[in-house]
Amino acid sequence: NAGVTQTPKFQVLKTGQSMTLQCAQDMNHNSMYWYRQDPGMGLRLIYYSASEGTTDKGEVPNGYNVSRLNKREFSLRLESAAPSQTSVYFCASSEIGRGRAEAFFGQGTRLTVV
Amino acid sequence: GESVGLHLPTLSVQEGDNSIINCAYSNSASDYFIWYKQESGKGPQFIIDIRSNMDKRQGQRVTVLLNKTVKHLSLQIAATQPGDSAVYFCAVPFSGNTPLVFGKGTRLSVIA
Repeated sequence: NAGVTQTPKFQVLKTGQSMTLQCAQDMNHNSMYWYRQDPGMGLRLIYYSASEGTTDKGEVPNGYNVSRLNKREFSLRLESAAPSQTSVYFCASSEIGRGRAEAFFGQGTRLTVV
Repeated sequence: GESVGLHLPTLSVQEGDNSIINCAYSNSASDYFIWYKQESGKGPQFIIDIRSNMDKRQGQRVTVLLNKTVKHLSLQIAATQPGDSAVYFCAVPFSGNTPLVFGKGTRLSVIA
């Protein structure tokens, strides 16, 4: 079972460049999330989509945009990358509303902005 | 908003000993709590969860304890093995069906 698939796994960008991180899940989950993980900071929520057609800001949304393309796919876009966006990005999905809230995570995208 | 606190950023234990990892949360209305394990280079992986109507829940070699009075939960790993070496996070929904808020994690190192 694939679960949550993220692409790419690694990326190096120059300051000011743009890119889109892709995420797809095959568990038929309604909700999807983008987190970033920095050393000593745990995981912080960037944006989430509670259901297809909706998106909401999380704790650290500045500098990012998202698109919920369909139920399976949720992309994260950096319009003008900055060194402060160097991080590991995780996509996750869950089936909130059925009595459980655990999220299933992808393997992450390691992004370096130089 | 919800905050999830870390008691100890690192923990070293001897192989075969029991490990205890602690976590504190701020929202007394939180009703669902999750522990994740993250191995190096991988995404967080679900270990065990507990609802607020329970004080204790056991899995395979793991036990989660919840003390709602002091808003504290702990993860106990019995007979710790080298494969348990990882970063462990507690995670709590801010409220109801909202996204998970994560603690900063405890890095568990198992000494052979």
